[in-house]
Amino acid sequence: QVQLVQSGAEVKKPGSSVKVSCEASGGTFSSYAISWARLAPGQGLEYMGGIIPILGKTYYAQKFQGRVTIIADESTSTGYMELSGLKSDDTAVYYCARTFWTHYSGYYYYGMDVWGQGTTVTVSS
Amino acid sequence: DIVMTQSPLSLSVTPGEPASISCRSSQSLLHSNGKNYLDWYLQKPGQSPQLLIYSGSNRASGVPDRFSGSGSGTDFTLKISRVEAEDVGVYYCMQGLETSFGPGTKVDIK
Repeated sequence: QVQLVQSGAEVKKPGSSVKVSCEASGGTFSSYAISWARLAPGQGLEYMGGIIPILGKTYYAQKFQGRVTIIADESTSTGYMELSGLKSDDTAVYYCARTFWTHYSGYYYYGMDVWGQGTTVTVSS
Repeated sequence: DIVMTQSPLSLSVTPGEPASISCRSSQSLLHSNGKNYLDWYLQKPGQSPQLLIYSGSNRASGVPDRFSGSGSGTDFTLKISRVEAEDVGVYYCMQGLETSFGPGTKVDIK
């Protein structure tokens, strides 16, 4: 049974960048996509973007375009999410999730069935 | 952009009683391939989210059969036939055409 293991908590200064990793333990990414979402204090879940590793195809939510970079290393079954230009309201728990996808006149994600344990990112001066 | 709404935003339920959450999208989530790109997730306190229902009505592996999903196009419903204490948390619908979550519905026990 594959598990997604994320990197540890981070404390960052405003304006800096953070890179969170997500390793598939006990399996590989296979043909799945990897999605990233976050939960900020007092807020709801927010989708950030995803990648289909076997295609190298990424999708970024409009809010994060230009500030987020999502990559995947198939050789180590590890995904990465880098967020730049950090602000205090980027303080949140960041999650990765294994995601099903389809290609039918576009790429669509659904069924995020395995989630990482979450990585707390605190942005503070 | 597709806008997702949920109602109610908060729900207090007596154990053993049914519960229902509605999710509506500003555009149809029924693709020409016949699939509804609408999932339901539960985030229990202090835990990562978990998948309950995918593609509108398919129960995910290991999810109790008291959870069911229905609907198509722009209107979807998650039903819990008999709420248990372990069902508390925030329920989110998620659309997969442009991938975004609804605002969430917080469920607690009376």
